[in-house]
Amino acid sequence: EDQVTQSPEALRLQEGESSSLNCSYTVSGLRGLFWYRQDPGKGPEFLFTLYSAGEEKEKERLKATLTKKESFLHITAPKPEDSATYLCAVQADNFNKFYFGSGTKLNVKP
Amino acid sequence: DAGVIQSPRHEVTEMGQEVTLRCKPISGHDYLFWYRQTMMRGLELLIYFNNNVPIDDSGMPEDRFSAKMPNASFSTLKIQPSEPRDSAVYFCASSFRGLGGGYTFGSGTRLTVV
Repeated sequence: EDQVTQSPEALRLQEGESSSLNCSYTVSGLRGLFWYRQDPGKGPEFLFTLYSAGEEKEKERLKATLTKKESFLHITAPKPEDSATYLCAVQADNFNKFYFGSGTKLNVKP
Repeated sequence: DAGVIQSPRHEVTEMGQEVTLRCKPISGHDYLFWYRQTMMRGLELLIYFNNNVPIDDSGMPEDRFSAKMPNASFSTLKIQPSEPRDSAVYFCASSFRGLGGGYTFGSGTRLTVV
């Protein structure tokens, strides 16, 4: 069964304390893995797309990596404005098979 | 570009009433998606359109839900009759050539059915 699991559900960090969020997946025929950021009361905001194992993408303090079974979103020296829920999604064989994880709620304290 | 525009932002209605949610996608985008987000189930794809044609509506929970896209700049999601369990945030998203997930989401409509 295709599924996407994110961990931890919630993460509290001090400003400057680096950490990683995990997204593990089991899908048939991965076509892409996507990371989104969602702020309260807003829609998800697209961050990255990863297509193949070994691929990495970076944006400011965020770096996403992909293996054959999971993806990590590394946050380096986070700031309070990085506080948000981070969602992972995978696209399987068919376009309509697009699964979102339940998200990791990140809280960065000053 | 103003992004994906949804209206209304909030909707409170009584059980049994008809509810219509509206979406204006980004100009030039050829895919449009309707999602529902709840605490229990997260983000769920309800239906998506390509070039105004519904492609897959297998995520629509019941016949009470219907969606239309009469033209490239407008789509509606209708619930008739509404029930308390329909309470959720409904998002519309659009993309160009599918883009496999690189969607632009609207700000959502928070629906409360009492």
